[in-house]
Amino acid sequence: SQQGEEDPQALSIQEGENATMNCSYKTSINNLQWYRQNSGRGLVHLILIRSNEREKHSGRLRVTLDTSKKSSSLLITASRAADTASYFCATLNTGGFKTIFGAGTRLFVKA
Amino acid sequence: DGGITQSPKYLFRKEGQNVTLSCEQNLNHDAMYWYRQDPGQGLRLIYYSQIVNDFQKGDIAEGYSVSREKKESFPLTVTSAQKNPTAFYLCATSEVTGGTGELFFGEGSRLTVL
Repeated sequence: SQQGEEDPQALSIQEGENATMNCSYKTSINNLQWYRQNSGRGLVHLILIRSNEREKHSGRLRVTLDTSKKSSSLLITASRAADTASYFCATLNTGGFKTIFGAGTRLFVKA
Repeated sequence: DGGITQSPKYLFRKEGQNVTLSCEQNLNHDAMYWYRQDPGQGLRLIYYSQIVNDFQKGDIAEGYSVSREKKESFPLTVTSAQKNPTAFYLCATSEVTGGTGELFFGEGSRLTVL
């Protein structure tokens, strides 16, 4: 079963622009994580935000979490061609052990 | 180097054959997972293991089997009972005690059924 739903499914922007991806989920969570996947490769963890946090930054990444709306957003500022990848949100349910992934947003950054 | 090694990277199988995908880790993580990824889709959990000699079914366990005889190893067998086995398979690990649930992934194994 899919927990998260990412929006948009695909995004194409110019280098230097900001990219925003959204994620909605269904159940109570312990934390929410964002991962990146280059084509044909494994996933790499980008950032984690706990359920009692509202915003978190890491370099050019900014993540927000709204537990009342069960939604999160990932902002990549000043995008680069190397940011081209698929981005997934994943949730660890409260008291749970399984991490459940959304379907992902495919980001294409044009040089 | 610490990490997760999956092999083989590419595998071709004839219908009716069982195949085993290898996953080895040297991160000393207790938990190991197998996910399946289909084109343009997210990851679906097949099996997971929190400790040696114990494992649980995920959301799509039918047609798959696993074992966890050693902490470092969590092989996945795709059996002939799996109706549509062509996919990208990802192994992951995480810490259990005091962990945040952050997953560490291998580079994947792509299985194609001919």
